[in-house]
Amino acid sequence: QQQVKQSPQSLIVQKGGISIINCAYENTAFDYFPWYQQFPGKGPALLIAIRPDVSEKKEGRFTISFNKSAKQFSLHIMDSQPGDSATYFCAVSDLGGQGNLIFGKGTKLSVKP
Amino acid sequence: GAVVSQHPSRVICKSGTSVKIECRSLDFQATTMFWYRQFPKKSLMLMATSNEGSKATYEQGVEKDKFLINHASLTLSTLTVTSAHPEDSSFYICSARDRGRGRTEAFFGQGTRLTVV
Repeated sequence: QQQVKQSPQSLIVQKGGISIINCAYENTAFDYFPWYQQFPGKGPALLIAIRPDVSEKKEGRFTISFNKSAKQFSLHIMDSQPGDSATYFCAVSDLGGQGNLIFGKGTKLSVKP
Repeated sequence: GAVVSQHPSRVICKSGTSVKIECRSLDFQATTMFWYRQFPKKSLMLMATSNEGSKATYEQGVEKDKFLINHASLTLSTLTVTSAHPEDSSFYICSARDRGRGRTEAFFGQGTRLTVV
């Protein structure tokens, strides 16, 4: 059973546009929701993370929106740039974020100039 | 930010030989390290969790005798792929958490591309 469902699988956005990636989870015990960015041939790097006590967190052009009742969270990339082209993974964790990370299947984002 | 160094970044080995991959936390003590495997265009699959000074905990379906994990110090964990076969070819990634300071952020190494010929 897939514990976190990520969509879309791939996304093409024009430069300057907004990229939106969604994730949904089932287990209400999850309490830490990070997003990772991965470039080809590299390890993932943490972009931004949120805990369930807030509904939104913004860091620069990246925003996480969190809907606790719907058990969904999303990543918004404002003013998308070609350098943002990468694969993005959402993840979930429990135990205050100290549990093992469970990753979504990833979204390949391509930002066209 | 914290840095996790993984070495080598690429390795090609002959079928039947063993390969060791190192994962080091450079500026923090990693009480727990994680090893992942990633197939092309796929997500990260947790293979095992290693705690310093104790045996690793392997995920279901991962052969512990094939993927030997040693977490000998607070800054070093190693993954040895024993008697490698072509189907072991994959991208292996380590991760570490600085739980000593209650940090939840996981820092990832740059990954190791293993090709078994």
